[in-house]
Amino acid sequence: KAGVTQTPRYLIKTRGQQVTLSCSPISGHRSVSWYQQTPGQGLQFLFEYFSETQRNKGNFPGRFSGRQFSNSRSEMNVSTLELGDSALYLCASSTRRTASTDTQYFGPGTRLTVL
Amino acid sequence: AQSVAQPEDQVNVAEGNPLTVKCTYSVSGNPYLFWYVQYPNRGLQFLLKYITGDNLVKGSYGFEAEFNKSQTSFHLKKPSALVSDSALYFCAVRENSNYQLIWGAGTKLIIKP
Repeated sequence: KAGVTQTPRYLIKTRGQQVTLSCSPISGHRSVSWYQQTPGQGLQFLFEYFSETQRNKGNFPGRFSGRQFSNSRSEMNVSTLELGDSALYLCASSTRRTASTDTQYFGPGTRLTVL
Repeated sequence: AQSVAQPEDQVNVAEGNPLTVKCTYSVSGNPYLFWYVQYPNRGLQFLLKYITGDNLVKGSYGFEAEFNKSQTSFHLKKPSALVSDSALYFCAVRENSNYQLIWGAGTKLIIKP
């Protein structure tokens, strides 16, 4: 079974631009979670989508948004990029059947650099 | 509120020696605990999880973790460390009925030959 895929793997943008990242979950997984990872802040939860609805949201400004499509693929968008948005953006998928057994599986990440 | 603590930013171990990466948690209900590993420039890989039952959980790459309810800990262990085990290790907890994972800050494990 193919793993979680994320595109693109690397991105370089300038301040003020916007960016869209894509995540394709493992087949059969209907939940997609997004995380931001930086050396100083560690792993920060952005949001989770399940059945095309945002189920949980972390403490990020409204410049960060996401959506999920009917095939469970998800995109996240960051508008008006700031230097501090430079990070590794990770997506994880899971089945979300039960809270006890649900396991997240991660993609390789998208490395975003904002200049 | 749920929380996870990984008290050591970095752990250094000589190859062949046993290793322990510490994790303590705080939840109000039953905890579901996870360990993940991250190699440089890669995503996180699932190692193992505790749901219920046996307090010693075995996972990938020879790793195991011991759940201790009284000490609210879930330490990751391996009997004999390999240089290739050098990576960043994350502990996470989920409280029953809540799908969101709470993550520790990560521990960098360095195995020296």
